[in-house]
Amino acid sequence: TQLLEQSPQFLSIQEGENLTVYCNSSSVFSSLQWYRQEPGEGPVLLVTVVTGGEVKKLKRLTFQFGDARKDSSLHITAAQPGDTGLYLCAGVVKLSFGAGTTVTVRA
Amino acid sequence: ETGVTQTPRHLVMGMTNKKSLKCEQHLGHNAMYWYKQSAKKPLELMFVYSLEERVENNSVPSRFSPECPNSSHLFLHLHTLQPEDSALYLCASSQDPHPKETQYFGPGTRLLVL
Repeated sequence: TQLLEQSPQFLSIQEGENLTVYCNSSSVFSSLQWYRQEPGEGPVLLVTVVTGGEVKKLKRLTFQFGDARKDSSLHITAAQPGDTGLYLCAGVVKLSFGAGTTVTVRA
Repeated sequence: ETGVTQTPRHLVMGMTNKKSLKCEQHLGHNAMYWYKQSAKKPLELMFVYSLEERVENNSVPSRFSPECPNSSHLFLHLHTLQPEDSALYLCASSQDPHPKETQYFGPGTRLLVL
C-alpha cells in the first residue's frame, strides 16, 4: 500500500489570503493527481502532474510535483469562498488517495 | 454534472436490511469503480469493473456484493451491514481501467447503518 499523507488536515483562512497544502509519501509515483470535493459532491480532478519538478498553474492554483516524485504541493493565491472544499491528492502507480485537506475560505 | 449519477443520495438502513446502491454513467466509459469514503480516511477502492467484468476486489467483506449488468450501470448490493459500514459510497468511471485515466465521480450515496 502506498501511503499518502496530506497536511494540514484542516485549514480555515480569510478571503484574499494565500494557502498551501501538502501531499507527502515515501513512495515514488509515476504521476500525481489533485482533486477537489465540494460538500455533497464527488471529487473532481483538478490536475495531473507527471514530471519531477513540474509546476502547473490553473488560474490562482499552482501545483508542484517534487523532484523525486514523492511529494506535491498545492498553493492557492488570493483564496475565494468558492475555493472551499476537500482537496485530495492521489498517487499513481496503483491509484492511492490521501485523506485530504479540508479548506474553508471565509468571506 | 460529471456524467455519473448515483441513487439514492441518502440511505438509512438497519443491520438486517437488504438494499442496493445504483450508479449510471453517461460517458461511454468502459471502466467503473466503487469507493468507500469515511471521515478522515483516504478513499478506499472497493471494486473495479472493466467491460462488465470484475477486475479488482480489494478484500471487501462479502456483505457488499457488486453487480455490473452492462458498461453503463453498476450496483452495490448491501446485506447485514455493520454500523462501521456507514460512509459515503462513491461510484466513478473512466475510459479504461488504468490508474492514469481520469476518473469521473458521482455525487455519492451517504449511507447510515443503525
